[in-house]
Amino acid sequence: GEDVEQSLFLSVREGDSSVINCTYTDSSSTYLYWYKQEPGAGLQLLTYIFSNMDMKQDQRLTVLLNKKDKHLSLRIADTQTGDSAIYFCAENDNAGNNRKLIWGLGTSLAVNP
Amino acid sequence: NAGVTQTPKFQVLKTGQSMTLQCAQDMNHNSMYWYRQDPGMGLRLIYYSASEGTTDKGEVPNGYNVSRLNKREFSLRLESAAPSQTSVYFCASNILSTNEKLFFGSGTQLSVL
Repeated sequence: GEDVEQSLFLSVREGDSSVINCTYTDSSSTYLYWYKQEPGAGLQLLTYIFSNMDMKQDQRLTVLLNKKDKHLSLRIADTQTGDSAIYFCAENDNAGNNRKLIWGLGTSLAVNP
Repeated sequence: NAGVTQTPKFQVLKTGQSMTLQCAQDMNHNSMYWYRQDPGMGLRLIYYSASEGTTDKGEVPNGYNVSRLNKREFSLRLESAAPSQTSVYFCASNILSTNEKLFFGSGTQLSVL
């Protein structure tokens, strides 16, 4: 079945770049998303990419999509302590139907001063 | 702007007790969702409502019921709580079920003893 996999933990030093990786199985996905969850809070959409794009940049965030390898990455430049959170990768089906979002388990990012 | 508001934030139940989790959004969104989040299991969809007057089962509906009371409100009911329903519950909404951006509430932490 459809699956999204992420590494569970990442630790970086403040000011370094963070790269969070995700692999997915559904090649018919139209959207791939990155959500951020801060402690004790709900998830917030951080960024998303359409499946016909290779890259999307938004200030400190860069999303790379390799459709051939079904690999998605999120790069955070100049990582700050406020970036410490859990980052979830998610994909949806080719109808763009949110009720069929498939979620990764989340990558816990720890930023050390 | 309040966004998506969930109540209560915390609840402890005894096995067999019933309760209703409340969710309201003030963004005039059509679609609303209930998820549960468990360690090692990621986010799983319990029920969703694509529009006012409709509800559908998600991935893990057993033991739950929902009511889309009006466009703003979507409640989740546990008729006879079980320890397996100990989890963090999130309500989410978006304009249409095909829209990419989900807005989440801050969650309800439920413990069933």
